[in-house]
Amino acid sequence: QKEVEQNSGPLSVPEGAIASLNCTYSDRVSQSFFWYRQYSGKSPELIMSIYSNGDKEDGRFTAQLNKASQYVSLLIRDSQPSDSATYLCAVNMNFNKFYFGSGTKLNVKP
Amino acid sequence: SAVISQKPSRDICQRGTSLTIQCQVDSQVTMMFWYRQQPGQSLTLIATANQGSEATYESGFVIDKFPISRPNLTFSTLTVSNMSPEDSSIYLCSVEDWRTERKDEQFFGPGTRLTVL
Repeated sequence: QKEVEQNSGPLSVPEGAIASLNCTYSDRVSQSFFWYRQYSGKSPELIMSIYSNGDKEDGRFTAQLNKASQYVSLLIRDSQPSDSATYLCAVNMNFNKFYFGSGTKLNVKP
Repeated sequence: SAVISQKPSRDICQRGTSLTIQCQVDSQVTMMFWYRQQPGQSLTLIATANQGSEATYESGFVIDKFPISRPNLTFSTLTVSNMSPEDSSIYLCSVEDWRTERKDEQFFGPGTRLTVL
């Protein structure tokens, strides 16, 4: 079992819709969770971090964390073609050791 | 967040040779890391670069193959030694600064795209 699992996609949504990206992790004691966006040929860019159960909103992005279910998600409201990218879920499972999921490719169709 | 640069941005190398990648940060940071991202894959941590001491390597990575230096709080190098085509990958450095509010958030440099022929 991989430490961090994501559906590889591609996930296709129409412009203006809500994109929902999901991630599960194996280490129950993990405390820090991150979403990165990676455009083709570019390095990952941090877009959200979340540490507590519940929702955290930042603009069009909402991260959701459920530690009991070992599940973290990212919602993108009013999706734009510029949101088309691969989204990487990362979990800090040990002191400063990040495990990354394989990424979900999102395609927002105009 | 800190501005991170890497040199070179890309290189094409012959097998058996070595390449040193530099990572420069515009401010002092507590932690620096090196990752590898193989084609179509996610990121794998190679090692944590420790200032003034030997790097801490992850399982599957050894110092003889990936020597790392970190002489100060703003600079690190990763050398890929005795390269083979399997080393073709993107190499990324990342930083954390525990003295800031953003503590364990990691920020990535632009990456070095290495092709080994």
